[in-house]
Amino acid sequence: AQKVTQAQTEISVVEKEDVTLDCVYETRDTTYYLFWYKQPPSGELVFLIRRNSFDEQNEISGRYSWNFQKSTSSFNFTITASQVVDSAVYFCALRGRSGSRLTFGEGTQLTVNP
Amino acid sequence: GAGVSQSPRYKVTKRGQDVALRCDPISGHVSLYWYRQALGQGPEFLTYFNYEAQQDKSGLPNDRFSAERPEGSISTLTIQRTEQRDSAMYRCASSTQETQYFGPGTRLLVL
Repeated sequence: AQKVTQAQTEISVVEKEDVTLDCVYETRDTTYYLFWYKQPPSGELVFLIRRNSFDEQNEISGRYSWNFQKSTSSFNFTITASQVVDSAVYFCALRGRSGSRLTFGEGTQLTVNP
Repeated sequence: GAGVSQSPRYKVTKRGQDVALRCDPISGHVSLYWYRQALGQGPEFLTYFNYEAQQDKSGLPNDRFSAERPEGSISTLTIQRTEQRDSAMYRCASSTQETQYFGPGTRLLVL
């Protein structure tokens, strides 16, 4: 069985603060993929990043960065210098080697206040 | 290019009616997925297709739910004899490799 846990239900920050969204996963697969999606207030689900289990390099894209640590089964997401437009629900998801379904966490509601 | 499209975007129906939700994937994407998302929760897998073949339908909650993709492109998710507990956002996604791209969803409300 696969499981994704996002322990932070809601986070509220003030603009320009840095914020980290936590994601912990469980899987028996040795090869798997991890994802982050953003769901803004408009409701669509927007792909942000995919990480393969065999590549533990951290990644940075503008103000976004991701920290993948297999030893702790975590795939955390940091937004630097947050902006009001970052306000959204963020979902972490896992896809195992066997089968194609995504298993999502419950999501973290991020609110960035001006 | 065009993303995944879904129709209708909103559907209000009465309990006991049948509904059909449509998904048009990104052109050339082999795999198509259906998920259901309740308010305040993450999406949950329903079923998926490779081309026209339904590969996994283990997430369909009961036999009132069915899906098809007869020509390997557009897919329809059908819910028969709708119940109030079927109210949710129904999301479709398509992929060519590991990454799934989602459509805008159909918000279903069963009265």
